[in-house]
Amino acid sequence: DADVTQTPRNRITKTGKRIMLECSQTKGHDRMYWYRQDPGLGLRLIYYSFDVKDINKGEISDGYSVSRQAQAKFSLSLESAIPNQTALYFCATSEGTGRHVGYTFGSGTRLTVV
Amino acid sequence: GESVGLHLPTLSVQEGDNSIINCAYSNSASDYFIWYKQESGKGPQFIIDIRSNMDKRQGQRVTVLLNKTVKHLSLQIAATQPGDSAVYFCAEFNDYKLSFGAGTTVTVRA
Repeated sequence: DADVTQTPRNRITKTGKRIMLECSQTKGHDRMYWYRQDPGLGLRLIYYSFDVKDINKGEISDGYSVSRQAQAKFSLSLESAIPNQTALYFCATSEGTGRHVGYTFGSGTRLTVV
Repeated sequence: GESVGLHLPTLSVQEGDNSIINCAYSNSASDYFIWYKQESGKGPQFIIDIRSNMDKRQGQRVTVLLNKTVKHLSLQIAATQPGDSAVYFCAEFNDYKLSFGAGTTVTVRA
């Protein structure tokens, strides 16, 4: 089983619909992140959480919200989807302490808003 | 603003040759850098990292070089193989978060 699991893997939704992307992890990491990937723009941070009671906005949080339901679960919601939110979304986790602070990424959710 | 960027969006390499992927960063406060590899349909995967108190670090077939004077980071892949075809991202760690460059797509020619 994957360390970081994202569901769904692919989703097509209509403009104005509410949609939730889910992320769960078995790494036991406290820190979780949501990134968006667009061609030529790399990965941009949407929201991040350093523990269950901590939620922080990233560089492109407008139009998104998150919920940290447990240490292992971090969901991303689009309250009213719009076409320019069509992108590849990644969830990631990290220990946050120790020498290696690199992230473990999920396989991504490809979202298309029509 | 400060950002991490890669010099070239694409790189075509003959199988067996060495690859060099470059990255320029502008945040002098960053103290930790990571290279990631992203294959089609997958999330980024850690390749190698380096801290700012080092200028070189080697892994298996990969070497990362850090030049803090000119704020430049590079990834060298020795004897490039078809499985090295992917998008490569550099990332800098600052303010408890990673910031990513736009990525370089490496294509290996047979």
